[in-house]
Amino acid sequence: DAGVIQSPRHEVTEMGQEVTLRCKPISGHNSLFWYRQTMMRGLELLIYFNNNVPIDDSGMPEDRFSAKMPNASFSTLKIQPSEPRDSAVYFCASSSIIRAHRSYEQYFGPGTRLTVT
Amino acid sequence: GQNIDQPTEMTATEGAIVQINCTYQTSGFNGLFWYQQHAGEAPTFLSYNVLDGLEEKGRFSSFLSRSKGYSYLLLKELQMKDSASYLCAVREGTSGTYKYIFGTGTRLKVLA
Repeated sequence: DAGVIQSPRHEVTEMGQEVTLRCKPISGHNSLFWYRQTMMRGLELLIYFNNNVPIDDSGMPEDRFSAKMPNASFSTLKIQPSEPRDSAVYFCASSSIIRAHRSYEQYFGPGTRLTVT
Repeated sequence: GQNIDQPTEMTATEGAIVQINCTYQTSGFNGLFWYQQHAGEAPTFLSYNVLDGLEEKGRFSSFLSRSKGYSYLLLKELQMKDSASYLCAVREGTSGTYKYIFGTGTRLKVLA
């Protein structure tokens, strides 16, 4: 398996622009997580989905952030409009909620390094 | 409230043993995780504890005391490649409605 795939790996954009981050989870996994990591705040869970349904979005900073999971193999995280304080590394992770499949283990993608100028 | 504390930095010598502590305050505890993260890379899973006691996996062991809200990660026979950040994370809630909270990580530097 190719693991969790994220694109783009790097994104540089100007303040006010829309940014879309993409994630393809591991095939067969039915939980998907979006995280943001900064030096100051560490790794923060933004939102996660079970079976394509958002379960907890309490970590989404504000209305400028939105996430979708239209099917089991694709998710997007959108920031509109972007601001310099959104600069961070955004990770997507997936796991299986089936106990027999080590449901406690999350597999992280390589991340997208976002810079908003 | 939710709170996870771990030391910011630690230094140890190649071949030695190091223990990284993690304390947490949470409600509805449902598991504690340790992840390793090398600089510029994604976190990778190391261990999972949901019951009290020690889980051993090769050179790495993880311990949990739920009554004390305490865990540690023990790394034996340290190697240079163990230089990384180690993230402690807690899961709350029940299956289907979990919340995951990560600590800010402990940066471990292994010296020759």
